[in-house]
Amino acid sequence: EPEVTQTPSHQVTQMGQEVILRCVPISNHLYFYWYRQILGQKVEFLVSFYNNEISEKSEIFDDQFSVERPDGSNFTLKIRSTKLEDSAMYFCASGRGRSYEQYFGPGTRLTVT
Amino acid sequence: GQQVMQIPQYQHVQEGEDFTTYCNSSTTLSNIQWYKQRPGGHPVFLIQLVKSGEVKKQKRLTFQFGEAKKNSSLHITATQTTDVGTYFCDRGGNKLTFGTGTQLKVEL
Repeated sequence: EPEVTQTPSHQVTQMGQEVILRCVPISNHLYFYWYRQILGQKVEFLVSFYNNEISEKSEIFDDQFSVERPDGSNFTLKIRSTKLEDSAMYFCASGRGRSYEQYFGPGTRLTVT
Repeated sequence: GQQVMQIPQYQHVQEGEDFTTYCNSSTTLSNIQWYKQRPGGHPVFLIQLVKSGEVKKQKRLTFQFGEAKKNSSLHITATQTTDVGTYFCDRGGNKLTFGTGTQLKVEL
């Protein structure tokens, strides 16, 4: 069964450094998402991406964040200058269409020190 | 989008007992989706309900969509320790809002 994959599973970085989190969505899906979950809190929406552009983003998704689909398979989340409060689990998800179910990857745990 | 309210927030049951979580919306929903997140895991899609009064079953799980399409429920028969996790309902759309969910704990 197709699944969303994410790399790395755990990333440790120093405050102020740039990180790129990578995702490979399910191949025939058209909508791509990033969510994050701070330890002990609920999952929060960051951004949705369709047709090579951002379709919606949350207040969390400020200028420090960017997303890209550099080729036909990868979907990346870049954090330009990480802050301590960016430490969280980041989930990528994909879906066939706007109101369709979303399939989540296993997540990347980002630790900013 | 507007959040769907879910109750209860927490539920502890003994293994073998039944469990139900309810979702309510003040507005009519075009569809409702259910997800489960195990502790330390990622959200996993369970089911989507679209039709008024729809009932779907997955083994011990029964999902219902109300006639007015404003409420939904998930019922688990004879809970097992593998059912532990947080269950979320969501109206779907361009983003999932992940409300409070219902955190289920199953004790032996």
